[in-house]
Amino acid sequence: DVKVTQSSRYLVKRTGEKVFLECVQDMDHENMFWYRQDPGLGLRLIYFSYDVKMKEKGDIPEGYSVSREKKERFSLILESASTNQTSMYLCASSLSRGSGYTFGSGTRLTVV
Amino acid sequence: AQSVTQPDIHITVSEGASLELRCNYSYGATPYLFWYVQSPGQGLQLLLKYFSGDTLVQGIKGFEAEFKRSQSSFNLRKPSVHWSDAAEYFCAVGSLSGGYNKLIFGAGTRLAVHP
Repeated sequence: DVKVTQSSRYLVKRTGEKVFLECVQDMDHENMFWYRQDPGLGLRLIYFSYDVKMKEKGDIPEGYSVSREKKERFSLILESASTNQTSMYLCASSLSRGSGYTFGSGTRLTVV
Repeated sequence: AQSVTQPDIHITVSEGASLELRCNYSYGATPYLFWYVQSPGQGLQLLLKYFSGDTLVQGIKGFEAEFKRSQSSFNLRKPSVHWSDAAEYFCAVGSLSGGYNKLIFGAGTRLAVHP
């Protein structure tokens, strides 16, 4: 079975910390995505990548950056965590336009 | 602008009753459409997808959805709901032409099932 693995299910960080969320897929997918999910707002796209070392801003990139040094790994970085970044973060990957996304289980981040 | 609307935030049905979750989209290009389900504390699982052909598509867990271009809708249905169907459901739309492989998601519909 194909898999998208997010390294942490739960994280608690302090305001101002630099936070790394890791995502690894084993499907050789070109496209990878980071979303945040908040009640009543659905999923909002933060960043995505369609190739190694390539990245594109999504709808809410402010306060975030990403890194994709290898095809299978896509990291989300919170440069200086703030309380309004407390959220569920979902990573996904896809092979092509019609194939849909495969999601990881999510990381629930709390910034205190 | 591209958008997906799920008009119902919460729906409660009795076990064994039929279910319809609504989804309306706004997308200029030829859309392709998905329904995902999310159990508590989990990621999203693909239920079904549509991008061409028969407008009635079958998915996993006994779900189906019908694409109606004239109504810009892609409603999800199930004839008889089971208690295990309690979850949050997301509709998503993407484009088959141009741009990147990005999906736009609705805000979700939370389904509760009464015994």
